[in-house]
Amino acid sequence: QKEVEQDPGPLSVPEGAIVSLNCTYSNSAFQYFMWYRQYSRKGPELLMYTYSSGNKEDGRFTAQVDKSSKYISLFIRDSQPSDSATYLCAISGSARQLTFGSGTQLTVLP
Amino acid sequence: ETGVTQTPRHLVMGMTNKKSLKCEQHLGHNAMYWYKQSAKKPLELMFVYSLEERVENNSVPSRFSPECPNSSHLFLHLHTLQPEDSALYLCASSQGGQPQHFGDGTRLSIL
Repeated sequence: QKEVEQDPGPLSVPEGAIVSLNCTYSNSAFQYFMWYRQYSRKGPELLMYTYSSGNKEDGRFTAQVDKSSKYISLFIRDSQPSDSATYLCAISGSARQLTFGSGTQLTVLP
Repeated sequence: ETGVTQTPRHLVMGMTNKKSLKCEQHLGHNAMYWYKQSAKKPLELMFVYSLEERVENNSVPSRFSPECPNSSHLFLHLHTLQPEDSALYLCASSQGGQPQHFGDGTRLSIL
């Protein structure tokens, strides 16, 4: 079993849709949860960062962590074509030993 | 310049060549990292330098050799690479327990 599982997609949605991206993990010691966005030919860019269960909101983005289920989600409201990218979840027990999911490729169609 | 800068952006080399990748961070961070990103696979941590101490993934072949002369610069020296080493090599930096910030990577192709 992989430490972090992420559905690779690809996921295609119409503009304005609500997008839900998810990861599951196996190590209950993990306590840092991050979402990165990676555009084509670019490096990953940090979107959201949390270390507790519950929701964290930033504009159109909401990160949700359920430690009891070992499940994290990223929701994108009112999705835009500019949100088209690969989304990576990253989870760790320490900030210097991140374990990444394989990424979900998202396309938002105008 | 700001952030994490990687050079070159693209590199094509033969299996017998020796080359180096360079990373520079302008964020005042005290830890730097090398990752390998292959298609459809998770990012693979290769090396970590933290306060001049090196931590490495034991599965990384010895044909990859990192160097960290100071807290702002990181190199990855490449020697007699294999075709399966073709990938995007990403550098990142961080401070304390804060999230890592990435450069845009070097796209490496081995002929």
